[in-house]
Amino acid sequence: SQQGEEDPQALSIQEGENATMNCSYKTSINNLQWYRQNSGRGLVHLILIRSNEREKHSGRLRVTLDTSKKSSSLLITASRAADTASYFCATDAQGAQKLVFGQGTRLTINP
Amino acid sequence: GAVVSQHPSRVICKSGTSVKIECRSLDFQATTMFWYRQFPKQSLMLMATSNEGSKATYEQGVEKDKFLINHASLTLSTLTVTSAHPEDSSFYICSARDRGLAGGSMHFALSTDTQYFGPGTRLTVL
Repeated sequence: SQQGEEDPQALSIQEGENATMNCSYKTSINNLQWYRQNSGRGLVHLILIRSNEREKHSGRLRVTLDTSKKSSSLLITASRAADTASYFCATDAQGAQKLVFGQGTRLTINP
Repeated sequence: GAVVSQHPSRVICKSGTSVKIECRSLDFQATTMFWYRQFPKQSLMLMATSNEGSKATYEQGVEKDKFLINHASLTLSTLTVTSAHPEDSSFYICSARDRGLAGGSMHFALSTDTQYFGPGTRLTVL
């Protein structure tokens, strides 16, 4: 069963605004990863944050990890229409040797 | 960066036929590959973990005789959907784990590996 829960399930904002997506998980992890998927396409790896890290940046992306709350957030700043996609978190649980995906957030950026 | 390919990108077949999907790591060796399926507007569900040279490990509820997995080399894994039915219609995605060193060193902790995903295969069973 999937262990990641994401909210919101869908998010619609205006271009230029910031978008924040949250992910919660249940067990201890080695790392947490965020992926983007455009409709009908494969996954694009965005960021990997390890369990001993609290924050990571990549361009307009900022990921935080709170292992005490078993949660992570993905912030996309200055959103663009091209950011429209589904975003998934995936956890690499300790001892599991596999990724478990959250339910995803469908992000729509309105021009 | 690492690239994973899948072939075919889409396939339409008649009910009862078998369909083979290939997953290749193009510029790295992958001792482990993963197969997922994704229904419309849903997340990815792991079907099985494919290890080179050994039997695949299937997730609970996935029929191993229905979804045959072969990982014959460090760069190729195949998924065969046998006797496909309309309910098997889905988006199938593979991923490959990059060990981080040429040749796939076993000295790296598994948890630090990155998975690279293929572009997916859309299967439609009529």
